[in-house]
Amino acid sequence: AQSVTQLGSHVSVSEGALVLLRCNYSSSVPPYLFWYVQYPNQGLQLLLKYTTGATLVKGINGFEAEFKKSETSFHLTKPSAHMSDAAEYFCAVSDPGNTGNQFYFGTGTSLTVIP
Amino acid sequence: KAGVTQTPRYLIKTRGQQVTLSCSPISGHRSVSWYQQTPGQGLQFLFEYFSETQRNKGNFPGRFSGRQFSNSRSEMNVSTLELGDSALYLCASNPLPGSNYGYTFGSGTRLTVV
Repeated sequence: AQSVTQLGSHVSVSEGALVLLRCNYSSSVPPYLFWYVQYPNQGLQLLLKYTTGATLVKGINGFEAEFKKSETSFHLTKPSAHMSDAAEYFCAVSDPGNTGNQFYFGTGTSLTVIP
Repeated sequence: KAGVTQTPRYLIKTRGQQVTLSCSPISGHRSVSWYQQTPGQGLQFLFEYFSETQRNKGNFPGRFSGRQFSNSRSEMNVSTLELGDSALYLCASNPLPGSNYGYTFGSGTRLTVV
């Protein structure tokens, strides 16, 4: 069974400060890992994904995440927060061996950026 | 290229009624999945369709059903609506089944049951 834990349902950072959103997963096999962002009244937008290869993944809007198998983590970072980064962020995991396409999402982290 | 289109954006229904939501995937995408998003339960998988066949189904009662047409458009239906069905219903598409793509989500249909 797969599951995702996002530590901190609410994170506040100052504009220009480092953004760190935490994600740990539980999976019986090396998973595929994703980060999504959701703005109010909108759907989810894919920020970045890890499937295979390089464990440091760069995404859109200056975000990146590193897959650490030993820590079962996939934390999302951005060196300098911008006001437009304020949104809800979701980590998700899927099983690459699953013939279905089901994703398991974390409960989300709401990011507030303080001017 | 157009994104995933969901209609309607907002819907208000009464308990006991039924509702049909529509999703048009990105052109060329043939896999469509549906998720329910609520404040209490978060994002939960409903079902996935490919080539007009349901490939995977989440843990929802039989009141929730769906289908996919030959042009890959998909509909989901909820019968005998309950207050707890109030949620944002999100449709997502992929070129093919396979989670390595990541999803492209629509903006969702906000269903309110009164």
